Amino acid sequence: GIQVEQSPPDLILQEGANSTLRCNFSDSVNNLQWFHQNPWGQLINLFYIPSGTKQNGRLSATTVATERYSLLYISSSQTTDSGVYFCAVEEGSGNTGKLIFGQGTTLQVKP
Amino acid sequence: DAGVTQSPTHLIKTRGQQVTLRCSPKSGHDTVSWYQQALGQGPQFIFQYYEEEERQRGNFPDRFSGHQFPNYSSELNVNALLLGDSALYLCASYRLRLANSPLHFGNGTRLTVT
Repeated sequence: GIQVEQSPPDLILQEGANSTLRCNFSDSVNNLQWFHQNPWGQLINLFYIPSGTKQNGRLSATTVATERYSLLYISSSQTTDSGVYFCAVEEGSGNTGKLIFGQGTTLQVKP
Repeated sequence: DAGVTQSPTHLIKTRGQQVTLRCSPKSGHDTVSWYQQALGQGPQFIFQYYEEEERQRGNFPDRFSGHQFPNYSSELNVNALLLGDSALYLCASYRLRLANSPLHFGNGTRLTVT
């Protein structure tokens, strides 16, 4: 099956700093999503981005499908950005809805 | 527009007991998937329901079973609970026939087995 690797595993930032999270995947995919899981366990959609670049406020994401990686950029980080960031890719062809998750990047933003 | 809702939020059970978790999909969604998230890990796919049938299944034993109702809501049942079943159980929904339909997750049910 598809392997998903995220780096770094842990990241500590000072408020206001920028960061880049990386997701590598082992096979071509039709769907890639980035999620933020807050300390209460809520898993929030950030981006649906099988290819290309998208931006939403201070967050942006780029997926280079041909090279099998995706990047999540967080600019001007805030303490509320703390939590675990997951990359997940869809296994199988078509709209399977079966996501394979990476191990996550745990981000701590200090005031 | 209600998102994915799950109940209960927390549950404590004893080894050997059985548990049922419930999920209502986001409005307009017809497919429900269940995931298990152990502490410090990413969510793992358990199974998926569409048109009231199990459509796909991950690497989980038969102790894990499910059901989907005509209104698209779903239940996850776990029999003969083990300590290792302690985890956050997440439900996700999407619209199967809609291309580029992202999955939306509920807040999860945190199950503790003692």
